[in-house]
Amino acid sequence: EADIYQTPRYLVIGTGKKITLECSQTMGHDKMYWYQQDPGMELHLIHYSYGVNSTEKGDLSSESTVSRIRTEHFPLTLESARPSHTSQYLCASSESGTGPSAQHFGDGTRLSIL
Amino acid sequence: GQNIDQPTEMTATEGAIVQINCTYQTSGFNGLFWYQQHAGEAPTFLSYNVLDGLEEKGRFSSFLSRSKGYSYLLLKELQMKDSASYLCASMDSNYQLIWGAGTKLIIKP
Repeated sequence: EADIYQTPRYLVIGTGKKITLECSQTMGHDKMYWYQQDPGMELHLIHYSYGVNSTEKGDLSSESTVSRIRTEHFPLTLESARPSHTSQYLCASSESGTGPSAQHFGDGTRLSIL
Repeated sequence: GQNIDQPTEMTATEGAIVQINCTYQTSGFNGLFWYQQHAGEAPTFLSYNVLDGLEEKGRFSSFLSRSKGYSYLLLKELQMKDSASYLCASMDSNYQLIWGAGTKLIIKP
């Protein structure tokens, strides 16, 4: 079972603030992902990375950025938070290799922008 | 376009069997995943099918028909702890997951 950790679990913050959501995994997975999920809705891919110094945008443009300086760490930054960013953010990782592999998820960060 | 369809909600009785259906349309196909998600928690991996047929794993089984773009998750001997959302996700030609909105399964005693 993958060990993947997200902090904070919950965050309530005002509009305009810069926010960084942390995600770390201890399994040595090369592939990491950030998703946004609203209640009862599907997961939307925001960003993904296939390894150090590799980052790509997903289908959902959420005015966020990511970095992948170390294999185990994949933080997501919102430069200026808006109420529309209120959602749950899920980080996931999967094994290296070119074929399909299951994604393992962290517990998520529930973000509320006032 | 890419699309995943699954029922929004289903209700079943403890001890019974329930089948959750999923139809998919994706650009390319590299397999079909099922995940379980309890309220307020992260999704957890249940099963993966890439070939036609039934894969059995304890009380849970998953079926795939590639020609029909169809899968189902079968849950037997339902327990109260099985109350959760069940997410269907298809992997496309770029190995990205296209997710359904999930089926909320309610188990009644």
